[in-house]
Amino acid sequence: EVQLVQSGAEVKKPGESLRISCETSGYSFINYWITWVRQVPGKGLEWMGRVDPTVSYPNYGPSFQGHVTISSDKSTRTAFLHWSSLEASDSAIYYCARQMGTRVFDYWGQGTVVTVSS
Amino acid sequence: DIQMTQSPSSLSASVGDRVTITCRASQSISRYLNWYQQKPGKAPKLLIYAASSLQSGVPSRFSGSGSGTDFTLTISSLQPEDFASYYCQQTYGTRTFGQGTKVEIK
Repeated sequence: EVQLVQSGAEVKKPGESLRISCETSGYSFINYWITWVRQVPGKGLEWMGRVDPTVSYPNYGPSFQGHVTISSDKSTRTAFLHWSSLEASDSAIYYCARQMGTRVFDYWGQGTVVTVSS
Repeated sequence: DIQMTQSPSSLSASVGDRVTITCRASQSISRYLNWYQQKPGKAPKLLIYAASSLQSGVPSRFSGSGSGTDFTLTISSLQPEDFASYYCQQTYGTRTFGQGTKVEIK
C-alpha cells in the first residue's frame, strides 16, 4: 500500500527555521517525483515545487523560488520542505504528494499544519 | 502563469442530482487537466486525470471532458459522500489550480 506520512504540526515564530518531512512507503521511492502543495485555510491549492528523488534535484514554482528548499533522502525514502526564515504568511497546511508520470498527483500525505506567529 | 477559473464557486444540490462543474484555462492547455476532490480536514484526492481518465478506484459516476480551454467535471448522480470541494489543476505549464467549487447539501 502506497503511503505518504507527514511530520506533525508546528508552531514557530517569525524568523525561525523549519523543516517538515514526508516519509514514503509501499512503492519504489526513486521512480516518482515528490511534489509539495500549500493550502492557506479556507483558500485554494498552490503548487510549490517538486523533487526528483533519484538525485534530490528540485524545481520550484515562481512564487516559492528562493523562499523554500525542497530536498529528499533516498536512504530514508523521505522528502523535505525547509524554510530558513519563516514569515507569518507561511502559516498554512502543507501537503506532499507522489507525482505519477510528470503531471498527476496520485497519492497525498495527510498534511502538516504550520503556524507562524509572534 | 496559466490562470484556472472554476464555476460556480459553490452550489447546492440534492442526493441523486446531476452536477456539472466547469473549469476554464486562460490559454489552451490541450488535455493537461486533472480534477481533485477535497473533504474538510483531508488531503485532496485524485478523481480524473488527462481531462477524462478516471483514476483507479473512483466511482464511475464521476466523469470529465473537454480540451483546449474549457473542461467539465460531471457527477451523474450525487451521493452523500460527494459533498466536498472540487479543484481543477492544469499541468501544461507551471502547475496551477482553480479556486475550487464547494458542493453543499440542498
